[in-house]
Amino acid sequence: GAVVSQHPSRVICKSGTSVKIECRSLDFQATTMFWYRQFPKKSLMLMATSNEGSKATYEQGVEKDKFLINHASLTLSTLTVTSAHPEDSSFYICSVPGTGNQPQHFGDGTRLSIL
Amino acid sequence: GENVEQHPSTLSVQEGDSAVIKCTYSDSASNYFPWYKQELGKRPQLIIDIRSNVGEKKDQRIAVTLNKTAKHFSLHITETQPEDSAVYFCAASKGYSTLTFGKGTMLLVSP
Repeated sequence: GAVVSQHPSRVICKSGTSVKIECRSLDFQATTMFWYRQFPKKSLMLMATSNEGSKATYEQGVEKDKFLINHASLTLSTLTVTSAHPEDSSFYICSVPGTGNQPQHFGDGTRLSIL
Repeated sequence: GENVEQHPSTLSVQEGDSAVIKCTYSDSASNYFPWYKQELGKRPQLIIDIRSNVGEKKDQRIAVTLNKTAKHFSLHITETQPEDSAVYFCAASKGYSTLTFGKGTMLLVSP
């Protein structure tokens, strides 16, 4: 079964809307979660590392005021795209560090389309 | 930071042929190299991985080789099937830290 649950799977909304995406670790507690963005026909680019109980670590070029990350519990991280515009349309995927044979478990992703 | 280069960007083969995708990395401290298969609109699926203490790993039709000295690793798919068609990403990381992905290879297997 799924190790990471990500919702919603698809969002279509008007420009200026803020959109929240949830990422839940189902099988174990996660002090760290990762948020990636993937534009069409492009690779996954790390946006930020979400840290439980503290501020997220953003990659260079990612606006922290634009992409708000909250990691309030050991099983939930949220990414809020504030005042979204068409250029924010993308596929957003979260992941949770795992153990054993896989370093990361990916969520199913959220397709965000801003009209 | 780590930089991962992946080639080719697209690869077309006939069913039954072999496919090879190559990646290079820049950070000699990287020690974990997974390969992911991603179908359109879906999350990446881990298909095989290799750690720096191993030179080669095989799982049925899929194999990965690693050359630490040259800092490159390759994915080999034998007896390709149409259902192998997808985008494949290589990645590199140090332990279980963040993954740096290659740009991807679109593999098309024609019947």
